[in-house]
Amino acid sequence: NAGVTQTPKFRVLKTGQSMTLLCAQDMNHEYMYWYRQDPGMGLRLIHYSVGEGTTAKGEVPDGYNVSRLKKQNFLLGLESAAPSQTSVYFCASSLPPEQYFGPGTRLTVT
Amino acid sequence: DQQVKQNSPSLSVQEGRISILNCDYTNSMFDYFLWYKKYPAEGPTFLISISSIKDKNEDGRFTVFLNKSAKHLSLHIVPSQPGDSAVYFCAASRGNYGQNFVFGPGTRLSVLP
Repeated sequence: NAGVTQTPKFRVLKTGQSMTLLCAQDMNHEYMYWYRQDPGMGLRLIHYSVGEGTTAKGEVPDGYNVSRLKKQNFLLGLESAAPSQTSVYFCASSLPPEQYFGPGTRLTVT
Repeated sequence: DQQVKQNSPSLSVQEGRISILNCDYTNSMFDYFLWYKKYPAEGPTFLISISSIKDKNEDGRFTVFLNKSAKHLSLHIVPSQPGDSAVYFCAASRGNYGQNFVFGPGTRLSVLP
């Protein structure tokens, strides 16, 4: 039982490049979330999903897209990375209410 | 404007003593609150929660107190242990569904041996 896993753990992008972050959970949770964490701030919700095939915007969705084609996977895409997207990204899943978080992806955009 | 505030960025406590972490919120519609603990290079892990129908919830060494009139909650850790050294996040929600959670900026607790 791996819980919530995230791929990759680290990534450096140049401005304008694209990438996809993968989140996988093996707890059969319906809800999944993507957050970003910046210094001095709490986690901020980017997008979330309440079930396979559904997605919705969170607090800070601009510049990101998501897909939930399979219940266990939640993908976060950056189509054209910007330095403002330098952050640590956390994926989580829940029943709800308690959320189970992955270890995070540290993304640097230069 | 931060709806959930943790005004102490850091806190140091001696091993065996009580740690008290504070959290204030501004939205009176919040009715569910959680505390998460985060170690470096790991994701946050759920610690304890409380709904607005209670004013206290206890789980082992951890107790959360809620003062609705003051819009304030606190996490007490007794006794504190070196393994408790981590960043603690408070989160608040209207309803207990994850998409509504608002997280505070965190308090770094250091428990000194």
